[in-house]
Amino acid sequence: QKEVEQDPGPLSVPEGAIVSLNCTYSNSAFQYFMWYRQYSRKGPELLMYTYSSGNKEDGRFTAQVDKSSKYISLFIRDSQPSDSATYLCARKRGGNQFYFGTGTSLTVIP
Amino acid sequence: DAGVTQSPTHLIKTRGQHVTLRCSPISGHKSVSWYQQVLGQGPQFIFQYYEKEERGRGNFPDRFSARQFPNYSSELNVNALLLGDSALYLCASSLGVAGSNTEAFFGQGTRLTVV
Repeated sequence: QKEVEQDPGPLSVPEGAIVSLNCTYSNSAFQYFMWYRQYSRKGPELLMYTYSSGNKEDGRFTAQVDKSSKYISLFIRDSQPSDSATYLCARKRGGNQFYFGTGTSLTVIP
Repeated sequence: DAGVTQSPTHLIKTRGQHVTLRCSPISGHKSVSWYQQVLGQGPQFIFQYYEKEERGRGNFPDRFSARQFPNYSSELNVNALLLGDSALYLCASSLGVAGSNTEAFFGQGTRLTVV
Protein backbone atom coordinates (compact mmCIF):
# COMPACT_ATOMS: atom_id res chain seq x y z
CA GLN A 1 0.00 0.00 0.00
CA LYS A 2 1.34 3.41 -0.96
CA GLU A 3 1.85 5.98 1.79
CA VAL A 4 -0.36 8.49 -0.04
CA GLU A 5 -3.02 7.56 -2.58
CA GLN A 6 -4.48 10.11 -4.97
CA ASP A 7 -6.95 9.80 -7.81
CA PRO A 8 -5.02 10.93 -10.93
CA GLY A 9 -8.17 12.19 -12.68
CA PRO A 10 -8.17 13.96 -15.05
CA LEU A 11 -10.75 16.35 -13.65
CA SER A 12 -12.46 18.93 -15.85
CA VAL A 13 -14.77 21.63 -14.44
CA PRO A 14 -16.37 24.86 -15.74
CA GLU A 15 -15.01 28.20 -14.58
CA GLY A 16 -16.50 29.25 -11.25
CA ALA A 17 -17.11 25.70 -10.02
CA ILE A 18 -16.03 24.40 -6.63
CA VAL A 19 -13.29 21.80 -7.00
CA SER A 20 -12.67 19.02 -4.51
CA LEU A 21 -9.36 17.15 -4.62
CA ASN A 22 -8.78 14.22 -2.30
CA CYS A 23 -6.06 11.94 -0.99
CA THR A 24 -5.88 9.12 1.52
CA TYR A 25 -2.90 8.17 3.62
CA SER A 26 -1.94 4.98 5.40
CA ASN A 27 0.45 5.93 8.22
CA SER A 28 -0.73 7.98 11.19
CA ALA A 29 2.75 9.21 12.10
CA PHE A 30 3.86 12.71 11.11
CA GLN A 31 0.55 14.53 10.86
CA TYR A 32 1.92 17.17 8.50
CA PHE A 33 0.39 17.47 5.06
CA MET A 34 0.96 19.70 2.07
CA TRP A 35 -0.72 20.54 -1.20
CA TYR A 36 1.47 21.50 -4.14
CA ARG A 37 0.42 22.85 -7.53
CA GLN A 38 2.50 21.91 -10.55
CA TYR A 39 2.12 23.54 -13.93
CA SER A 40 3.28 21.65 -16.99
CA ARG A 41 7.08 21.39 -17.20
CA LYS A 42 7.53 23.32 -13.95
CA GLY A 43 8.52 22.41 -10.42
CA PRO A 44 5.86 21.98 -7.71
CA GLU A 45 4.75 25.14 -5.90
CA LEU A 46 3.62 24.96 -2.28
CA LEU A 47 -0.03 25.96 -1.94
CA MET A 48 -0.89 25.07 1.62
CA TYR A 49 0.21 22.97 4.53
CA THR A 50 -1.72 21.72 7.52
CA TYR A 51 -0.73 20.06 10.74
CA SER A 52 -2.94 17.47 12.42
CA SER A 53 -6.67 17.66 11.73
CA GLY A 54 -9.12 20.40 10.91
CA ASN A 55 -9.40 23.07 8.23
CA LYS A 56 -7.08 25.75 6.98
CA GLU A 57 -8.22 28.47 4.63
CA ASP A 58 -6.20 30.75 2.34
CA GLY A 59 -8.18 32.85 -0.09
CA ARG A 60 -10.04 30.55 -2.47
CA PHE A 61 -8.27 27.47 -1.13
CA THR A 62 -9.25 25.33 1.87
CA ALA A 63 -7.24 22.35 3.07
CA GLN A 64 -8.93 19.78 5.29
CA VAL A 65 -7.55 16.82 7.21
CA ASP A 66 -9.76 14.08 8.67
CA LYS A 67 -7.59 11.91 10.91
CA SER A 68 -10.34 9.41 11.68
CA SER A 69 -10.70 8.44 8.03
CA LYS A 70 -7.08 9.31 7.03
CA TYR A 71 -8.43 11.62 4.36
CA ILE A 72 -6.99 14.94 3.17
CA SER A 73 -8.81 17.32 0.85
CA LEU A 74 -8.22 20.54 -1.03
CA PHE A 75 -11.19 22.68 -2.01
CA ILE A 76 -10.90 25.43 -4.62
CA ARG A 77 -13.74 27.96 -4.72
CA ASP A 78 -14.60 30.05 -7.78
CA SER A 79 -12.16 28.07 -9.90
CA GLN A 80 -10.30 29.97 -12.63
CA PRO A 81 -8.65 28.80 -15.86
CA SER A 82 -5.32 29.72 -14.23
CA ASP A 83 -6.00 26.98 -11.67
CA SER A 84 -5.53 24.38 -14.44
CA ALA A 85 -2.57 22.33 -13.25
CA THR A 86 -1.64 19.10 -11.52
CA TYR A 87 -2.28 19.11 -7.77
CA LEU A 88 -0.06 16.97 -5.58
CA CYS A 89 -0.80 16.01 -2.01
CA ALA A 90 2.10 15.08 0.23
CA ARG A 91 2.70 13.76 3.71
CA LYS A 92 5.82 14.52 5.69
CA ARG A 93 8.05 11.52 6.46
CA GLY A 94 10.55 13.48 8.55
CA GLY A 95 12.87 16.43 8.01
CA ASN A 96 11.85 17.86 4.67
CA GLN A 97 11.31 14.43 3.18
CA PHE A 98 7.84 13.85 1.80
CA TYR A 99 5.69 11.11 0.36
CA PHE A 100 3.77 12.44 -2.65
CA GLY A 101 0.60 11.22 -4.28
CA THR A 102 0.53 10.69 -8.03
CA GLY A 103 -1.14 14.05 -8.61
CA THR A 104 -4.58 15.00 -9.96
CA SER A 105 -4.72 16.82 -13.29
CA LEU A 106 -7.29 19.65 -13.21
CA THR A 107 -8.60 21.63 -16.18
CA VAL A 108 -10.87 24.63 -15.62
CA ILE A 109 -12.80 25.43 -18.77
CA PRO A 110 -13.58 29.13 -19.46
CA ASP B 1 14.83 36.99 -4.51
CA ALA B 2 16.30 34.04 -6.35
CA GLY B 3 14.48 30.80 -5.82
CA VAL B 4 15.94 27.33 -6.09
CA THR B 5 18.00 27.10 -9.26
CA GLN B 6 18.83 23.88 -11.05
CA SER B 7 21.13 23.19 -13.96
CA PRO B 8 21.01 22.10 -16.64
CA THR B 9 17.31 22.41 -17.49
CA HIS B 10 17.39 19.62 -20.02
CA LEU B 11 19.88 17.00 -21.08
CA ILE B 12 20.04 13.84 -23.11
CA LYS B 13 22.36 10.99 -22.19
CA THR B 14 23.06 7.54 -23.54
CA ARG B 15 22.54 4.34 -21.56
CA GLY B 16 25.57 3.51 -19.44
CA GLN B 17 26.76 7.11 -19.18
CA HIS B 18 27.11 9.17 -16.03
CA VAL B 19 25.28 12.43 -15.26
CA THR B 20 25.70 15.22 -12.70
CA LEU B 21 22.82 17.52 -11.82
CA ARG B 22 23.29 20.70 -9.83
CA CYS B 23 21.16 22.67 -7.41
CA SER B 24 21.56 26.00 -5.64
CA PRO B 25 19.17 26.49 -2.70
CA ILE B 26 17.45 29.67 -1.67
CA SER B 27 19.85 31.97 0.13
CA GLY B 28 19.92 31.09 3.83
CA HIS B 29 18.51 27.59 3.32
CA LYS B 30 20.74 24.84 4.66
CA SER B 31 18.86 21.73 3.59
CA VAL B 32 18.55 20.31 0.11
CA SER B 33 16.53 17.32 -1.01
CA TRP B 34 16.39 15.54 -4.34
CA TYR B 35 13.33 13.95 -5.91
CA GLN B 36 12.72 11.96 -9.09
CA GLN B 37 9.44 12.53 -10.93
CA VAL B 38 8.61 10.07 -13.67
CA LEU B 39 6.01 11.26 -16.18
CA GLY B 40 2.52 10.88 -14.76
CA GLN B 41 3.72 10.19 -11.22
CA GLY B 42 4.36 12.22 -8.12
CA PRO B 43 7.91 13.06 -6.99
CA GLN B 44 9.81 10.27 -5.22
CA PHE B 45 12.31 11.11 -2.51
CA ILE B 46 15.95 10.27 -3.31
CA PHE B 47 18.20 12.11 -0.82
CA GLN B 48 18.19 14.79 1.82
CA TYR B 49 21.25 16.76 2.95
CA TYR B 50 21.56 19.18 5.81
CA GLU B 51 24.74 21.00 6.78
CA LYS B 52 26.66 18.83 4.29
CA GLU B 53 25.54 15.58 5.92
CA GLU B 54 23.19 13.01 4.46
CA ARG B 55 20.00 13.00 6.53
CA GLY B 56 17.90 10.59 4.54
CA ARG B 57 17.91 8.28 1.58
CA GLY B 58 15.01 6.90 -0.41
CA ASN B 59 14.68 3.53 -2.05
CA PHE B 60 17.08 4.10 -4.94
CA PRO B 61 20.04 1.97 -6.06
CA ASP B 62 23.66 2.79 -5.25
CA ARG B 63 24.07 4.21 -8.75
CA PHE B 64 22.53 7.35 -7.26
CA SER B 65 24.72 9.49 -5.04
CA ALA B 66 24.75 13.09 -3.89
CA ARG B 67 26.70 15.59 -1.89
CA GLN B 68 26.29 19.05 -0.43
CA PHE B 69 28.98 21.69 -0.54
CA PRO B 70 30.01 24.29 2.11
CA ASN B 71 27.89 26.92 0.30
CA TYR B 72 24.90 24.52 0.65
CA SER B 73 24.64 23.86 -3.08
CA SER B 74 24.28 20.22 -4.04
CA GLU B 75 25.03 17.73 -6.78
CA LEU B 76 23.15 14.57 -7.69
CA ASN B 77 25.16 11.96 -9.55
CA VAL B 78 23.76 8.99 -11.41
CA ASN B 79 26.07 6.31 -12.80
CA ALA B 80 25.43 3.64 -15.41
CA LEU B 81 22.28 5.33 -16.69
CA LEU B 82 19.28 3.20 -17.57
CA LEU B 83 16.33 4.07 -19.78
CA GLY B 84 14.19 4.04 -16.65
CA ASP B 85 16.21 6.90 -15.18
CA SER B 86 14.51 9.25 -17.65
CA ALA B 87 12.57 11.67 -15.48
CA LEU B 88 12.30 15.18 -14.10
CA TYR B 89 14.79 15.56 -11.25
CA LEU B 90 13.68 18.08 -8.68
CA CYS B 91 15.65 19.83 -5.99
CA ALA B 92 13.93 21.28 -2.93
CA SER B 93 15.45 23.54 -0.32
CA SER B 94 14.37 24.43 3.18
CA LEU B 95 15.75 26.40 6.10
CA GLY B 96 16.31 23.32 8.21
CA VAL B 97 15.00 19.89 9.03
CA ALA B 98 12.72 20.43 12.01
CA GLY B 99 9.42 22.13 12.72
CA SER B 100 8.37 25.03 10.56
CA ASN B 101 11.85 25.17 9.02
CA THR B 102 10.98 22.19 6.85
CA GLU B 103 8.74 24.13 4.42
CA ALA B 104 10.18 23.00 1.10
CA PHE B 105 10.54 25.07 -2.05
CA PHE B 106 11.19 23.33 -5.35
CA GLY B 107 13.25 24.32 -8.33
CA GLN B 108 12.08 23.99 -11.92
CA GLY B 109 13.81 20.66 -12.29
CA THR B 110 16.22 19.04 -14.72
CA ARG B 111 14.59 16.92 -17.39
CA LEU B 112 16.84 13.95 -18.10
CA THR B 113 16.26 11.77 -21.12
CA VAL B 114 18.23 8.55 -21.45
CA VAL B 115 18.36 7.05 -24.94
